[in-house]
Amino acid sequence: EVQLVESGGDLVQPGRSLRLSCAASGFIFGDYAMHWVRQPPGKGLEWVSGISWNGDGIGYADSVKGRFTISRDNALYLQMNSLRPEDTAFYYCAKDLTPLIGLTGFDLWGQGTLVTVSS
Amino acid sequence: QSALTQPPSASGSPGQSVTISCTGTSSDVGGYNYVSWYQQHPGKAPKLMIFDVSKRPSGVPDRFSGSKSGNMASLTVSGLRAEDEAVYYCSSYAGSNNVLFGGGTKLTVL
Repeated sequence: EVQLVESGGDLVQPGRSLRLSCAASGFIFGDYAMHWVRQPPGKGLEWVSGISWNGDGIGYADSVKGRFTISRDNALYLQMNSLRPEDTAFYYCAKDLTPLIGLTGFDLWGQGTLVTVSS
Repeated sequence: QSALTQPPSASGSPGQSVTISCTGTSSDVGGYNYVSWYQQHPGKAPKLMIFDVSKRPSGVPDRFSGSKSGNMASLTVSGLRAEDEAVYYCSSYAGSNNVLFGGGTKLTVL
């Protein structure tokens, strides 16, 4: 089955770290760029970060630059440091249609994992 | 990096057509033909409806169409059906490995 499954979401205190993972199945993971997109409960989508098929191309939203790090091997990861309450959201893993970041659309999404940043 | 601008709401009766706009700048929507549209039902993950401004993924009805003029992209839903009621988001490549989303438009089928 073609799917993405996120894991690692949790309740964490401000300033702490968390690592999200995304496991892919049913397609050749290494052929496509991958992304993290977040959605605060009841609000809109925000692109967080993307990585090209071979890891050479990486991009971050200004809101997370310097705090979050995206990486991939046989899965996709998001290392989140210095977490803030405004980082509270569902975090979706999404597959790009192409090997490069953002040059088309995201045709496969996971179901999301909830990150709550609160003291 | 500013979000793309969408109207917060749109509505139409069954069978009618509705168009949702998505306004950006020459650095994103106007600069690239890489605009996509997503449909999201409550509690569900987003679904790709349009990519590359006007292309439909396999399985998306041809009632959904996309276009672009200058810095504004549009999604038109023709022959509205009850199941089209959802929130629609536009997205655009913004250069330098960056992607922007719009704020979302809630489409109500009256």
